[in-house]
Amino acid sequence: AQSVTQLDSHVSVSEGTPVLLRCNYSSSYSPSLFWYVQHPNKGLQLLLKYTSAATLVKGINGFEAEFKKSETSFHLTKPSAHMSDAAEYFCVVSGSGNTPLVFGKGTRLSVIA
Amino acid sequence: ETGVTQTPRHLVMGMTNKKSLKCEQHLGHNAMYWYKQSAKKPLELMFVYNFKEQTENNSVPSRFSPECPNSSHLFLHLHTLQPEDSALYLCASSQEAVAGGRNTQYFGPGTRLTVL
Repeated sequence: AQSVTQLDSHVSVSEGTPVLLRCNYSSSYSPSLFWYVQHPNKGLQLLLKYTSAATLVKGINGFEAEFKKSETSFHLTKPSAHMSDAAEYFCVVSGSGNTPLVFGKGTRLSVIA
Repeated sequence: ETGVTQTPRHLVMGMTNKKSLKCEQHLGHNAMYWYKQSAKKPLELMFVYNFKEQTENNSVPSRFSPECPNSSHLFLHLHTLQPEDSALYLCASSQEAVAGGRNTQYFGPGTRLTVL
């Protein structure tokens, strides 16, 4: 069965410093992996998606994630945090067969001025 | 309008009320989804419609009743809810519902539901 673990429930960074949001997954199939962002009182917005092409995936707003099969990880990074990046981030893995997407519990990113 | 829209954005209802949530997608997609987002819990898939046919009911109580009259519209009819049903209800759409949910889903802003 598929599963996803977001290793930090809350990450706090200073504006202008790098962001690292960690995600580990478990899948018995070659998965599709997603990162979504949710700003307060908003729906989920797709940041990026991995589908077994390039292992380094570039997304919107300067975010990128690297698929590492040997480590079963799909960490999200950004070189320099902006205040507008403060939000909840969700790592998501595709299911298999009739199993739908599996969502992580989310990581809340705070950006300090 | 573009993307996925949801109305109302906020809803307060008593346990004996009947209300409906509406979702509309303007992306030309064929699959639509209802999710429940509660505090401190992962998103829970409730229902999936693919080409207007319900393909997934994730053990949702019968007090939640979905309706999909066409590929662009999705409703969630609510009756005799409980306070623990208070949550953010998110609608999403995708090209179609494929195995494992591999097609990218696009989400609406959600309806914040409070049951008194």
